[in-house]
Amino acid sequence: AQSVTQLGSHVSVSEGALVLLRCNYSSSVPPYLFWYVQYPNQGLQLLLKYTSAATLVKGINGFEAEFKKSETSFHLTKPSAHMSDAAEYFCAVSDRDSSYKLIFGSGTRLLVRP
Amino acid sequence: DAGVTQSPTHLIKTRGQQVTLRCSPKSGHDTVSWYQQALGQGPQFIFQYYEEEERQRGNFPDRFSGHQFPNYSSELNVNALLLGDSALYLCASSLLGQRGNTEAFFGQGTRLTVV
Repeated sequence: AQSVTQLGSHVSVSEGALVLLRCNYSSSVPPYLFWYVQYPNQGLQLLLKYTSAATLVKGINGFEAEFKKSETSFHLTKPSAHMSDAAEYFCAVSDRDSSYKLIFGSGTRLLVRP
Repeated sequence: DAGVTQSPTHLIKTRGQQVTLRCSPKSGHDTVSWYQQALGQGPQFIFQYYEEEERQRGNFPDRFSGHQFPNYSSELNVNALLLGDSALYLCASSLLGQRGNTEAFFGQGTRLTVV
């Protein structure tokens, strides 16, 4: 069975500071990994995805994530936080045989202080 | 391209009632998945429809049922509503056949409140 653990339900950073949101996964098969962002009262928007190509994945809005198989991690980073980055972030995993069935973590709310 | 559209956006129902939520997939997509997102939690997979058949199902009771129409749009039906069914219901569409490489596009969701 696959699962995702997001460490920290809330992360607070100052504007301009590094953003680091943690995600660890469990999967018996090579995983497909995703990061989604959700703004209040909205659906989910894909930030980036890992599909067994390059281990460092660049996404939209300056976000990137690195797949580390040895650590079973897929942490999301951004060098400099903007106020507009304040939102809920979800890590998700999918396996090749269950395409499109996404298993989500519980989410991390990012707060950006001025 | 209108993307994934869901209706209604908000809904209030009474315990024991039945509800139908609707989803139109993104143009060119043929697969629809439904997720339940309870307050403060991540979305949970309910089921997925492809070629008008339920292709996969998550750990949800039979009170949750669905349908996909020839135009790929979909409905989610929930019978005998419980207070615990209050959640944001998200629809996601995708194109099957690219073996996991196709991203899922999500609608804005239907907020269901059961009182």
